[in-house]
Amino acid sequence: GDSVTQMEGPVTLSEEAFLTINCTYTATGYPSLFWYVQYPGEGLQLLLKATKADDKGSNKGFEATYRKETTSFHLEKGSVQVSDSAVYFCALRGNTGFQKLVFGTGTRLLVSP
Amino acid sequence: DAMVIQNPRYQVTQFGKPVTLSCSQTLNHNVMYWYQQKSSQAPKLLFHYYDKDFNNEADTPDNFQSRRPNTSFCFLDIRSPGLGDAAMYLCATTERSGGTGELFFGEGSRLTVL
Repeated sequence: GDSVTQMEGPVTLSEEAFLTINCTYTATGYPSLFWYVQYPGEGLQLLLKATKADDKGSNKGFEATYRKETTSFHLEKGSVQVSDSAVYFCALRGNTGFQKLVFGTGTRLLVSP
Repeated sequence: DAMVIQNPRYQVTQFGKPVTLSCSQTLNHNVMYWYQQKSSQAPKLLFHYYDKDFNNEADTPDNFQSRRPNTSFCFLDIRSPGLGDAAMYLCATTERSGGTGELFFGEGSRLTVL
C-alpha cells in the first residue's frame, strides 16, 4: 500500500538557520503530496501541496518540490523562526477514485532564539 | 472564520462512560473524516463518510461509532472509553472530486479518560 517516510526528529535549530525535513513516498500512480503543520495543542493546518511531478509548493517561506524520479517531497525553509516550532507531517493522497490521506510519522521542529 | 469546528475542545470522562464528540463544517464538503491521534504519533483514520455512505477502517474498534445526520454535521460516539482511547480526535473534510484536494481539519477534541 501507499506509505510515507519522514526523517525522525526532533530537529533542533537556531533562529535563522536553514531547514530541511526529508520525506519520501511509495505509491502507485501519481499521488498528490502535502505538508501539514501542527502547532502545540492544535489541529493540522495545510502548509503547502503539489499535485504533479516537478510542481513546487510554497507558503510562508517554506517550499517543497515534487520529485517523481526520487519519490521525494522534502520541506525546506531558508531562515527559520521561533514561531516555526511545531510538528510537520508529510502526506500523500492517491488521485484515482476515493483515496484517504496517508501520513508520515511527523517531525518535530524546535527553533531556539 | 473557522470552517471546521469541533466541540468540545477538551473532554474528560470516566472509564466506561460514553462520550460524543461533534464536528460541523461550513464548506459544504461531501466527505468527512474522523482521525485519532495519540501523543507523538501520526493521525490514524477511524472512518469516513462519502455523502451518507459510511466507511469503516478495518482496524477501527467496535467501540467507535459515527453519525452524520446531514452534510454539515458529524458525530463520533465512543461507547465505553478505555484508558487507551485517550487521544486527540480530529475531524476533517474534503470535496468529493479526486485526490488533489487537501483535507481541512478542525482544531481537534482532546479526550482524557480517568
